[in-house]
Amino acid sequence: EDKVVQSPLSLVVHEGDTVTLNCSYEVTNFRSLLWYKQEKKAPTFLFMLTSSGIEKKSGRLSSILDKKELFSILNITATQTGDSAIYLCAVYSGTYKYIFGTGTRLKVLA
Amino acid sequence: GAVVSQHPSRVICKSGTSVKIECRSLDFQATTMFWYRQFPKQSLMLMATSNEGSKATYEQGVEKDKFLINHASLTLSTLTVTSAHPEDSSFYICSASGGSPSFQETQYFGPGTRLLVL
Repeated sequence: EDKVVQSPLSLVVHEGDTVTLNCSYEVTNFRSLLWYKQEKKAPTFLFMLTSSGIEKKSGRLSSILDKKELFSILNITATQTGDSAIYLCAVYSGTYKYIFGTGTRLKVLA
Repeated sequence: GAVVSQHPSRVICKSGTSVKIECRSLDFQATTMFWYRQFPKQSLMLMATSNEGSKATYEQGVEKDKFLINHASLTLSTLTVTSAHPEDSSFYICSASGGSPSFQETQYFGPGTRLLVL
């Protein structure tokens, strides 16, 4: 059975800390891995990763994929209270099939 | 680009009534739309996948007669919760993908609809 596992489930840090969120997967057909940020409403798209070893960056956020070890990490440097959210990882395996992880709930304290 | 809207954002209805939720892709053609349900502090649960002009594919355990999905055009999909009951109260989120190659694998989410059935 295809599955996506995120860790930790929840995390509390202070402003300025750096956090690393993990996403591991076991899917029969991997096409891409996506990261989303969900605050009070629906998820917003962060990154899509398809190739190993190529880091994607957007401001203080970065992500990288390891297709050999079947995982991805999402890094957030110099965290701010506005980074508090649930971070979702999903794997697209083709033919409209997406498998979502349970998410990591991040809380950044001032 | 890649904006998806949902309407209404919030709805309260009486038990036994039907509620329709609209999902629109505003600046791209969505060949595929997804409907999710999310319970508090839980991840997204996929309910169904719909492609324009064809019947929706429902996930196991989701009643197709209760949750009617219509994907009538490349920019609009609707979810109708028929004869709603309090246990149907939840946060319903749609997403869309399609159009140019860069959009095809990425889902873009609508803002969600919070349904409360009294």
